[in-house]
Amino acid sequence: SAVISQKPSRDICQRGTSLTIQCQVDSQVTMMFWYRQQPGQSLTLIATANQGSEATYESGFVIDKFPISRPNLTFSTLTVSNLSPEDSSIYLCSVQAGNQPQHFGDGTRLSIL
Amino acid sequence: ILNVEQSPQSLHVQEGDSTNFTCSFPSSNFYALHWYRWETAKSPEALFVMTLNGDEKKKGRISATLNTKEGYSYLYIKGSQPEDSATYLCALQGSNYKLTFGKGTLLTVNP
Repeated sequence: SAVISQKPSRDICQRGTSLTIQCQVDSQVTMMFWYRQQPGQSLTLIATANQGSEATYESGFVIDKFPISRPNLTFSTLTVSNLSPEDSSIYLCSVQAGNQPQHFGDGTRLSIL
Repeated sequence: ILNVEQSPQSLHVQEGDSTNFTCSFPSSNFYALHWYRWETAKSPEALFVMTLNGDEKKKGRISATLNTKEGYSYLYIKGSQPEDSATYLCALQGSNYKLTFGKGTLLTVNP
């Protein structure tokens, strides 16, 4: 299965700043996803990162708050903008290779001061 | 919209006990049901992918069943070990491989 490197593993940020999370895969994959888990909540899909085009966002998530880049088939970034305490979460990237189960990164644990 | 409920929310068992927990869903309009194990500070690990009513899968001491007619899946762990301690997630796969997760069951196995 694909090896995913997600960085940073954790961060503590000030309100109003932004954080960019990187996801690097050791093989080319067509589909990459970004998820968020807020405390006490389920793991929720933010968007599908599309190579060479704009990401597809789920209901309740917008590009201005969660801009996503996907410059090639092995790399994607998620930026969480204008941070507020409600953004304290675990953020995960995942990849879909064929009909295999989705494979996840180790996550980024974000806390907002 | 896919809805997924998991119960119980948390569970404490003694080493050697067998246990099971439930994933329920009101609609069977999905492509597959996934079980994941998620340990703290690690990535969620895929356990099973189930697609057909009556599916039964097994991996070592862990097994799962799927009943799409009555809207549930069970995950069983036989002879729990401390290393089984984790959050167990159930997810429904919709279109375009999108996953909708339940809140998970946090299992703690006491030695």
